[in-house]
Amino acid sequence: AQSVTQPDIHITVSEGASLELRCNYSYGATPYLFWYVQSPGQGLQLLLKYFSGDTLVQGIKGFEAEFKRSQSSFNLRKPSVHWSDAAEYFCAVGAPTSGTYKYIFGTGTRLKVLA
Amino acid sequence: DTEVTQTPKHLVMGMTNKKSLKCEQHMGHRAMYWYKQKAKKPPELMFVYSYEKLSINESVPSRFSPECPNSSLLNLHLHALQPEDSALYLCASSQEGGGASNTEAFFGQGTRLTVV
Repeated sequence: AQSVTQPDIHITVSEGASLELRCNYSYGATPYLFWYVQSPGQGLQLLLKYFSGDTLVQGIKGFEAEFKRSQSSFNLRKPSVHWSDAAEYFCAVGAPTSGTYKYIFGTGTRLKVLA
Repeated sequence: DTEVTQTPKHLVMGMTNKKSLKCEQHMGHRAMYWYKQKAKKPPELMFVYSYEKLSINESVPSRFSPECPNSSLLNLHLHALQPEDSALYLCASSQEGGGASNTEAFFGQGTRLTVV
């Protein structure tokens, strides 16, 4: 069965520091992978996605992620964090199911940014 | 327009009430989803409609009844809910048949439901 693991429940970084959020997936075929961000009480916004090709993908707000098949990972990075990046981050896998797609989310990582 | 619009934003209902949540998108997407999200938890899939037909029901209790009147609209009818059903209900849509490059789901802002 498909699953997504985000090992870090909380991460705290200082503003201007670099960031890496970890994501590991379990899926039999080539996965479609996504990172979403959610501010409190809001919906989810797509940061970036991977479905094939270049394993380093660029997203919005200066985020990037690298797909590593050998490690079943899709870690999210940002070189310099801004206070506005404080939010919940979800990694997700899109799995074809019953003629459509099922989006399965990891448990999320809550990012706190110190001024 | 990359928006998924959900109404209402907030809803308080009693356990004997009947209410409906509404979701609308005008991106031409043919797949629409309902997710339930409890506080500090990830979204959990409830239902998926593909080309206006229910394709996935994740064993959701019958007090939740989805409806897809047309390709742009998705409703979630609520009846006899329990306090533990209080949560953020998220609607999403995605394009199907467009190849892997179009598989991302677009989410609405959600309806915050409180059952009293």
